[in-house]
Amino acid sequence: KQEVTQIPAALSVPEGENLVLNCSFTDSAIYNLQWFRQDPGKGLTSLLLIQSSQREQTSGRLNASLDKSSGRSTLYIAASQPGDSATYLCAVSGHKFYFGSGTKLNVKP
Amino acid sequence: NAGVTQTPKFQVLKTGQSMTLQCAQDMNHEYMSWYRQDPGMGLRLIHYSVGAGITDQGEVPNGYNVSRSTTEDFPLRLELAAPSQTSVYFCASSPGQGAAEQYFGPGTRLTVT
Repeated sequence: KQEVTQIPAALSVPEGENLVLNCSFTDSAIYNLQWFRQDPGKGLTSLLLIQSSQREQTSGRLNASLDKSSGRSTLYIAASQPGDSATYLCAVSGHKFYFGSGTKLNVKP
Repeated sequence: NAGVTQTPKFQVLKTGQSMTLQCAQDMNHEYMSWYRQDPGMGLRLIHYSVGAGITDQGEVPNGYNVSRSTTEDFPLRLELAAPSQTSVYFCASSPGQGAAEQYFGPGTRLTVT
């Protein structure tokens, strides 16, 4: 059974800092990995989707990498802003979708 | 496109009552799924469907039933609600199983007393 782990569970940084969120998974037989953002009391918003054949994807200040052989992905956020405060979830897709428990990010002004 | 819609947004049930959570998508997606989200546990897959007439169990299917009579709709039924089913429920859809991106509804917050 696929296990997805996200570290750290919570992170608090001052505005402007670059930061890295980590996601690891136990079964490398995946189709893709997706990063989501979730604001309190809201649904999930897709940020980046990396296919298994890709190494990274970029969108604005966000960059996600994937190392399928080692079962790891990172989400890099450049020049963090208070508006980036949210919970970030990663999900891997095999036969089914499996989610990590998320990293709660707080960016302080 | 409305995307993925869910009703109701909030619901309070008494133990033993039944209800159906509604989910609809207007993107002609084949794959639809239901998740529950509990504090500190991420999202767990309840049931999923790869097309009309086809459903299968996810990680935590007990106490829930689904049907998929049309491509657009994927309702989740709780027959005998229990306090352990207090959670936030999300419906998602995707063009296909596996390599495609998932799109999520806004969620239904269910409390069972």
